[in-house]
Amino acid sequence: NSKVIQTPRYLVKGQGQKAKMRCIPEKGHPVVFWYQQNKNNEFKFLINFQNQEVLQQIDMTEKRFSAECPSNSPCSLEIQSSEAGDSALYLCASSPPPETLYFGSGTRLTVL
Amino acid sequence: QQKVQQSPESLSVPEGGMASLNCTSSDRNFQYFWWYRQHSGEGPKALMSIFSDGDKKEGRFTAHLNKASLHVSLHIRDSQPSDSALYFCAASEPGTGSNRLTFGKGTKFSLIP
Repeated sequence: NSKVIQTPRYLVKGQGQKAKMRCIPEKGHPVVFWYQQNKNNEFKFLINFQNQEVLQQIDMTEKRFSAECPSNSPCSLEIQSSEAGDSALYLCASSPPPETLYFGSGTRLTVL
Repeated sequence: QQKVQQSPESLSVPEGGMASLNCTSSDRNFQYFWWYRQHSGEGPKALMSIFSDGDKKEGRFTAHLNKASLHVSLHIRDSQPSDSALYFCAASEPGTGSNRLTFGKGTKFSLIP
């Protein structure tokens, strides 16, 4: 069973509100990923970290999202101003590269 | 253009039957492949990875990779009710250091009652 812990499980926000979700990666995994899975089950890579430093991120993440992965604290992903199109399942994964990604159960965000 | 394409979109087999899922990449930089399974309400879980040409077997699951055609398949034998789920093919570029995965759109697999 995956040891990647994501909270909260469900998150409901109004448009324009901030939405913050957290992830505790599996112990010993230096690389952490955030993906968005939409209602059609399509995955979109958002950002990844290695030892607290951002490795890659997409343009959307750079502009509207705030993410960090501090040492000895949970990683977090925050949408600064939620939009209806942000409603999705947000998945955190950790990995000891170049190996498999291990996913948490996700945070399901609904933007009303 | 979708870089990782899966087929079929959905598949149903009787319990105990065999199923074949397919995946093709359009990007020759993708050399490493994974199959993930996602049950309803859960995150995806890795079934198996395959990096070399040929077959790789793990229990009832066999993956086959043909690097020349960038085609990877997953064969499930003796299908069980617990196999009903979404199956995703994922690919990555070796040597990038981060193991970022690109996913296909998935195959919905279910058992015929």
